[in-house]
Amino acid sequence: DTAVSQTPKYLVTQMGNDKSIKCEQNLGHDTMYWYKQDSKKFLKIMFSYNNKELIINETVPNRFSPKSPDKAHLNLHINSLELGDSAVYFCASSLAGTSNEQFFGPGTRLTVL
Amino acid sequence: AQSVSQHNHHVILSEAASLELGCNYSYGGTVNLFWYVQYPGQHLQLLLKYFSGDPLVKGIKGFEAEFIKSKFSFNLRKPSVQWSDTAEYFCAVNVVNRDDKIIFGKGTRLHILP
Repeated sequence: DTAVSQTPKYLVTQMGNDKSIKCEQNLGHDTMYWYKQDSKKFLKIMFSYNNKELIINETVPNRFSPKSPDKAHLNLHINSLELGDSAVYFCASSLAGTSNEQFFGPGTRLTVL
Repeated sequence: AQSVSQHNHHVILSEAASLELGCNYSYGGTVNLFWYVQYPGQHLQLLLKYFSGDPLVKGIKGFEAEFIKSKFSFNLRKPSVQWSDTAEYFCAVNVVNRDDKIIFGKGTRLHILP
């Protein structure tokens, strides 16, 4: 009965590699988000999609490319990984309209060596 | 610049002490306000939220928060903390009718001594 799920939970990789993180929600929400939480616990939004359409795209390097095949899924692909990409990445979802709370996934801890 | 400020980065209390965590925001207009909690090694969970109506909002686990519009504040309170309240607490703000973006504060790490 998981609401927002992410895979993998942990990801350790070398600099320069390309990796993907997947997110799925079974809440019937139509808006999904990616957040990055750095080592100081600072949480910053990266992207949001509503019904597969990109709504928010913060100043994120273009090595990061979100893809939403349908409104229940939002994947994050990262090219040419750098040390500074090491962080915990959280997916979240909500129902249309900003007055609804966002439900967060368990996070993916990415470590770039 | 528009922002969400949490005054305390790290708070240490003994069990049964009272808690108040400060949160101020600098956005004008109508806002939705949230407090999220992140227990060690876990994801964010909603503690409480304010959209409209009574400015004193009650959430889960005995937490409450008061929205004071004139002070642009949304402080989190709990009369008697427990060891299990040890966690990171995030205040968050969404400006109504702007976009779906929620801006998070930098978090307050709460450590409760048994």
